[in-house]
Amino acid sequence: QQPVQSPQAVILREGEDAVINCSSSKALYSVHWYRQKHGEAPVFLMILLKGGEQKGHEKISASFNEKKQQSSLYLTASQLSYSGTYFCGTGLISNFGNEKLTFGTGTRLTIIP
Amino acid sequence: DGGITQSPKYLFRKEGQNVTLSCEQNLNHDAMYWYRQDPGQGLRLIYYSQIVNDFQKGDIAEGYSVSREKKESFPLTVTSAQKNPTAFYLCATALGGRTDTQYFGPGTRLTVL
Repeated sequence: QQPVQSPQAVILREGEDAVINCSSSKALYSVHWYRQKHGEAPVFLMILLKGGEQKGHEKISASFNEKKQQSSLYLTASQLSYSGTYFCGTGLISNFGNEKLTFGTGTRLTIIP
Repeated sequence: DGGITQSPKYLFRKEGQNVTLSCEQNLNHDAMYWYRQDPGQGLRLIYYSQIVNDFQKGDIAEGYSVSREKKESFPLTVTSAQKNPTAFYLCATALGGRTDTQYFGPGTRLTVL
């Protein structure tokens, strides 16, 4: 039931682009993306909803393929501040009325100067 | 100052002792969640509550207990039945709808000696 994230880790030079993927075996209603710095709380980045609605960060984009139950987070022209671990949290259609998220194991992104 | 408070930040306990972790919020959010985070395993849901005086088990509820007597408070007790309690514990809140963002507290790092 836990979504699968790929890659598990990636190292980029400042200014390069990255794509982080999240895949579920269950029918999804929503995908939530968070970034966590070491020892800190996760910080909300974006929500993608079934039907195409998106809410979130101005400088980060993402996609949600409803047929494949997959989401991708796109980080362009990466900055040092983008370093951290990225988590996707998935909301299942079957959980209607009993809302909870199931999180992936994370993708560790390291940006080097 | 609005937000989510978790106390203490670091907690040490002897094996066999019960310990209660505090989570308080003044965001007027209906839903509250407890997650456990271990290295390389992402966020795993322990318990959640969508309304006062009601809560549901998450994916790893064994060895934990909660109460929700007030909207603002959702304490988590780690009992002696939890076999491996050393972890980083995160509390989160949300308005309560299925498209709502979850906001995380700063976390409590529990070490059982």
